[in-house]
Amino acid sequence: DSGVTQTPKHLITATGQRVTLRCSPRSGDLSVYWYQQSLDQGLQFLIQYYNGEERAKGNILERFSAQQFPDLHSELNLSSLELGDSALYFCASSVRQGGREQYFGPGTRLTVT
Amino acid sequence: QQQVKQSPQSLIVQKGGISIINCAYENTAFDYFPWYQQFPGKGPALLIAIRPDVSEKKEGRFTISFNKSAKQFSLHIMDSQPGDSATYFCAASERNTDKLIFGTGTRLQVFP
Repeated sequence: DSGVTQTPKHLITATGQRVTLRCSPRSGDLSVYWYQQSLDQGLQFLIQYYNGEERAKGNILERFSAQQFPDLHSELNLSSLELGDSALYFCASSVRQGGREQYFGPGTRLTVT
Repeated sequence: QQQVKQSPQSLIVQKGGISIINCAYENTAFDYFPWYQQFPGKGPALLIAIRPDVSEKKEGRFTISFNKSAKQFSLHIMDSQPGDSATYFCAASERNTDKLIFGTGTRLQVFP
């Protein structure tokens, strides 16, 4: 158990809908990362937050957005969902910006029908 | 553009044997190279990591070998066990950024 929690574990929704994925980092970790894992794209970095501020962006679609709250939990919002958004979404945390060791949560499996 | 190339895609090893997974990179700004282990239905778990100032790092049965001039690094699993059967990912990140660039993964199966 990495100490990173993610909810929900599974999510099934229809195309065009909007969902919110939630992540709580390990106790004391200030940095949160979101990754997407799919069969065709592999594991890809989406976005990073550090202590409430966006720090880095990767291959994140404009339909996707994220935020980190004062209690350090983070939410990833996915809107106008398409079939191709079906994937595993992982949150990871590290103790600080520049803290290279990232610990991953169990993931949320999103299925868009 | 795939920045970290991983091979093989799959690997079958007998119990007690050595499993070797290789990764190569082009970006000389990479300065942190972790390996992750992922079981089905679980998140990637950090296994071992190395920085380019050392050529080898060992933790238990797991060893990373790093060749800076060749821009290659590999994971060696000694005395492989059935419980090691999982997918292994190499990754890399640049100095001044924390985002991990992952390889495509290697599915390891260890048979008794």
